[in-house]
Formats: sequence, structure tokens, C-alpha cells
Amino acid sequence: DVKVTQSSRYLVKRTGEKVFLECVQDMDHENMFWYRQDPGLGLRLIYFSYDVKMKEKGDIPEGYSVSREKKERFSLILESASTNQTSMYLCAIRQAPLLEAFFGQGTRLTVV
Amino acid sequence: LAKTTQPISMDSYEGQEVNITCSHNNIATNDYITWYQQFPSQGPRFIIQGYKTKVTNEVASLFIPADRKSSTLSLPRVSLSDTAVYYCLVGEGGSARQLTFGSGTQLTVLP
Repeated sequence: DVKVTQSSRYLVKRTGEKVFLECVQDMDHENMFWYRQDPGLGLRLIYFSYDVKMKEKGDIPEGYSVSREKKERFSLILESASTNQTSMYLCAIRQAPLLEAFFGQGTRLTVV
Repeated sequence: LAKTTQPISMDSYEGQEVNITCSHNNIATNDYITWYQQFPSQGPRFIIQGYKTKVTNEVASLFIPADRKSSTLSLPRVSLSDTAVYYCLVGEGGSARQLTFGSGTQLTVLP
């Protein structure tokens, strides 16, 4: 079974805090993704990485950064959390050329 | 990735066959069509992928006409547990680094 593990299921942070969301995979897949999901807006791509230390912006990168120092780990960083970043965050992995992706269980982040 | 258009929502009754259509007018020659299913509070789950004609697995069937500008996901004899959001994605796996999801179709199965 493919395992995509997100470090927290639920997280509550204060406005202005630096927040780290971690995603770890056990499949040695090249591509890793961070999405956020909000009611009525579907899944929106924040950042993705296709190799170690390689990253590209998705559709909504503002207010976020990412880090991929090792192939199995992809971190999403909120430099200064704001209330509009309250959302469900989902990590996914994919091995090209397949279009099949595997998702983590999600982190529900609340910024107060 | 080619842009896709799906209905926002659909209702069905238990035991019926459900067909969800996705339009992808700008599909490229090397693009594949992929469908995902998402239950509340979970990440999406891959259910089926195809290139042309018909593909069937234990969960669903995927029908793709000759011009490939649309595709139809068919769920046979749905049950309440099939209530979920269904996403259609189109892309060429080799070079497409991004996976971009649209808004999906909320399927509600009624008793």
C-alpha cells in the first residue's frame, strides 16, 4: 500500500506564526504536490516539486513557500500565517508518466 | 493540461446507473483522461484512466468517443456510499508535471 503521511490531521495556529506542514512518502515517487481545498473552490495547486530541491509555483503560491531537501519529504511553509489561510491542505505524490496520484489524509489548519 | 468542464452537481437514487460527462475540447494527441473520487474529509482517490473507446474496471467504466473531446464516467448501480465529488483530469503523463483539478461534480445518491 502506498503511504503518504501528513504530519498533523488538525492544527491550530495564531496569526503571524510560521507554520510547517510536512508530507512524507514511502514510494520513491518523483513528483510531490501541495493543494488547499476550500468549500466551493475545489482543489487548488499551491506548489509542486519534480525532484529534490526543484519546485514550481502552482496556481496560488502567494503566502507560501516549500522545501524539498530529500526525495521522500516535501514541506509547505506559511511564513506568517493569516486567517485566510485557514483551509484543508492536501499532499499528493505521483510517478511520471502515470497520471495516478496518491493523496495524504489532509491537514485541517485553522489560523486564529 | 487541457481545461475540463463538468456539471457542478448531480443527484441519483440507489441502484441506478450514473453517467457523469466531462468536456475537454482542447485535448491534445498525447493526453490521457483520468477520473478521481473524493469522499468528505479525505484526499481524492484515482478510479480510472483511458485514452480512447472504453475502459472498465471493478469500480467504473469510462467511455471516450472517437473525437476525444469529451468523456463519460459511468457508475453502475450506485449506492449511498458512492456519494462523493468526482473530478475529471486530462493530461499527458510524461511531460505534464502539474496535476490540476477542476471543481468536480458532487454526486449525491439518495435512498
